[in-house]
Amino acid sequence: DVQLVESGGGLVQPGGSLRLSCAASGFTFSSHWMNWVRQAPGKGLEWVAIIKQDGSEKYYVDSVKGRFTISRDNAKNSLYLQMNSLRAEDTAVYYCAGGEGWLTILWGQGTLVTVSS
Amino acid sequence: EIVLTQSPGTLSLSPGERATLSCRASQSVGRNFLGWYQQKPGQAPRLLIFHASSRATGIPDRFSGGGSGTDFTLTISRLEPEDFAVYYCQQYASSPLTFGGGTKVEIK
Repeated sequence: DVQLVESGGGLVQPGGSLRLSCAASGFTFSSHWMNWVRQAPGKGLEWVAIIKQDGSEKYYVDSVKGRFTISRDNAKNSLYLQMNSLRAEDTAVYYCAGGEGWLTILWGQGTLVTVSS
Repeated sequence: EIVLTQSPGTLSLSPGERATLSCRASQSVGRNFLGWYQQKPGQAPRLLIFHASSRATGIPDRFSGGGSGTDFTLTISRLEPEDFAVYYCQQYASSPLTFGGGTKVEIK
């Protein structure tokens, strides 16, 4: 089966760090751009970051630039999001997503990140 | 940044009725790289339409997308009970990729 499975979410204090992981299976992970998209409780979708197949290009939404880093390990079929200097407004379900070019077709089920003291 | 504005915020309709959702972009979406997603409570979004008017794999033909440039629509020809959900448009033409605020289609 083609799937994406996120992990690493949890409760963290403001100013803290967290690393999310996404394990891909059932497709050629290394051939696809990959994204992180988040959704705050009761709110809409917000795109966070995207990374090229070989990791040579990365783009971020302004609100996370300098704090979040997207990366991938194609040998492990895995996508990551390193989140530093976390704020209350980063509280959300974080989805790993990929597809054709920048179009997101396949989504994981998400992992919840809660930033609170 | 391309800002996407969806309207209406909420659409109250009955099963069997036609739903028309709008997505307006603050500037032209290159190559009409505009997608529509459906999201139900507790679930991840599901791609319905890509490149403004192409149906994704497995999507029923009661869903159709149209428009170009800055004005796009998603039409559900006859609402089925499983179609009551929140719908989002997204442009994937330029960074930052952006989503609209969503339209909730609820049972009247």
